[in-house]
Amino acid sequence: DQQVKQNSPSLSVQEGRISILNCDYTNSMFDYFLWYKKYPAEGPTFLISISSIKDKNEDGRFTVFLNKSAKHLSLHIVPSQPGDSAVYFCAASARGGGNKLTFGTGTQLKVEL
Amino acid sequence: GAGVSQSPSNKVTEKGKDVELRCDPISGHTALYWYRQSLGQGLEFLIYFQGNSAPDKSGLPSDRFSAERTGGSVSTLTIQRTQQEDSAVYLCASSFGSANTEAFFGQGTRLTVV
Repeated sequence: DQQVKQNSPSLSVQEGRISILNCDYTNSMFDYFLWYKKYPAEGPTFLISISSIKDKNEDGRFTVFLNKSAKHLSLHIVPSQPGDSAVYFCAASARGGGNKLTFGTGTQLKVEL
Repeated sequence: GAGVSQSPSNKVTEKGKDVELRCDPISGHTALYWYRQSLGQGLEFLIYFQGNSAPDKSGLPSDRFSAERTGGSVSTLTIQRTQQEDSAVYLCASSFGSANTEAFFGQGTRLTVV
């Protein structure tokens, strides 16, 4: 049972344009959401997070939006840069679940020149 | 060290042999995770340790897999009688274990079973 879903395995965007990565979840107890970025041969690195009490969090070129009623979150990257090419994982946790992180399957972003 | 350290970085083993993978979490982190990523796949949860609580072993794929965490710090993931389908990158992560905190990952151990 995949509680965190990233339905797009890959996304290709031109440099300078906006990248939008999507994530859906099924567990209504999730109250904290994170995005991680992973380059080949490296471990995932934390990018940005959002608490369920907010619907938007912004950090530089990265913005995460949370729609609790739809159980959907998205990561916007603008403007996209070639160095953003990586696999992006969405993750969620619930206080009632011991704060264990549950990850999606990832989306491979390719930013083309 | 400042980050999560995993060893070895690469391991090639023969089918049927046992392997041990080690993880040194960030000092002070009470929570420790093991995940694996098979070729072309996402992150698969294996096991989660949080403080002195019983570990969440719900992700271990078979009884050939086990993990322990000694003294609330270093963790070892053991795979007995390895199979070719065990080939993957095994990732360890640690966190403070409290609400609304992120986990930090190590570089991973690439396991190849031949």
